[in-house]
Amino acid sequence: DARVTQTPRHKVTEMGQEVTMRCQPILGHNTVFWYRQTMMQGLELLAYFRNRAPLDDSGMPKDRFSAEMPDATLATLKIQPSEPRDSAVYFCASGSGLSSYNEQFFGPGTRLTVL
Amino acid sequence: GDSVTQMEGPVTLSEEAFLTINCTYTATGYPSLFWYVQYPGEGLQLLLKATKADDKGSNKGFEATYRKETTSFHLEKGSVQVSDSAVYFCALSPPGGSEKLVFGKGTKLTVNP
Repeated sequence: DARVTQTPRHKVTEMGQEVTMRCQPILGHNTVFWYRQTMMQGLELLAYFRNRAPLDDSGMPKDRFSAEMPDATLATLKIQPSEPRDSAVYFCASGSGLSSYNEQFFGPGTRLTVL
Repeated sequence: GDSVTQMEGPVTLSEEAFLTINCTYTATGYPSLFWYVQYPGEGLQLLLKATKADDKGSNKGFEATYRKETTSFHLEKGSVQVSDSAVYFCALSPPGGSEKLVFGKGTKLTVNP
């Protein structure tokens, strides 16, 4: 049963600390998306990659957030330094890029709390 | 730009009640349309989809019909169960090959026994 995995599932940290979230997309998928979900803003697209190349990171605060794909099996989202307003659930999703309607498969999320 | 508007929740129903969650969209051309569902503590998962006008997507008793004349994709279920309690997201994929999805803000559904 192919699934997107994310680690850690929960993270509590103090303001100013670095946070790294990891995602393993479904094997063979060539698109990866990072979303942030909050009560106030809903689901926001932060960045997305195709074939490991970043295509759009316009939704990401550039001064503190960075997203990378070191290889096809790992995507990372880093926040440095973290702030309380970054508290949210961060989802990774992957897609095969093959279907005509671009279904995305979501991971279980990382719940981040910045104190 | 492309956008999705769905009815605000929360929606609370009794078991076996009829469900409608409204969704309308704004897009250039003819997007693909989706409903995703998020159960408590989980990520989103695709519930159903429609890729062209008049298509009806269906799954697990849920249905939605792509109506281009009203730019709508309302979600319906004839008889809800407690296990349907979740947050439901309407989304579109813009035409032209974009891989991005544009999501609505989500509607929380609670079904009471």
